[in-house]
Amino acid sequence: SQTIHQWPATLVQPVGSPLSLECTVEGTSNPNLYWYRQAAGRGLQLLFYSVGIGQISSEVPQNLSASRPQDRQFILSSKKLLLSDSGFYLCAWSARKGAFFGQGTRLTVV
Amino acid sequence: KNQVEQSPQSLIILEGKNCTLQCNYTVSPFSNLRWYKQDTGRGPVSLTIMTFSENTKSNGRYTATLDADTKQSSLHITASQLSDSASYICVVSSSGGSYIPTFGRGTSLIVHP
Repeated sequence: SQTIHQWPATLVQPVGSPLSLECTVEGTSNPNLYWYRQAAGRGLQLLFYSVGIGQISSEVPQNLSASRPQDRQFILSSKKLLLSDSGFYLCAWSARKGAFFGQGTRLTVV
Repeated sequence: KNQVEQSPQSLIILEGKNCTLQCNYTVSPFSNLRWYKQDTGRGPVSLTIMTFSENTKSNGRYTATLDADTKQSSLHITASQLSDSASYICVVSSSGGSYIPTFGRGTSLIVHP
């Protein structure tokens, strides 16, 4: 069966520090991968998606970037975090049957 | 532009009561519609998935309906429990291209004792 791993679960980082969130998928090949952000009291916002290794599409301009160095690995990064980057980040993969989510990372920028 | 609209935005009910959440979508071409339950601080968990040919699907006390003609779906929760308090998100996937899902903003349900 397919599983998706996302870590860390919680993270507190100072303003201006770098960020790296990692997501890996098991049990499937060539998945579509996504990073979403959910700000407090708001819906899910698509940040990046990838349909293959090295292929990244950005949905909104921001302080973040994404990379896909391997087929089943998706990384969300920032060189310098802003206070507004605080939120709940979800990694997901999709296939014909819909989207499947990781457990999320609660990021607090202080 | 593909869109998914959910209503109500929030809902408060008493334990034991039933409730219905709504989802309208304009995603095309349609592949499937999923309802997810998201507990605070956790990733969404799938409750039901429905394809074009399915009208009703149940998962315990959760029953989802789909009207592909009017592009509407509902999630009915029967005999609500305190543990049903969560956000419920409707997600519609397109069959075109890379199956990128479109999310509703969710309905926040609070069940009071």
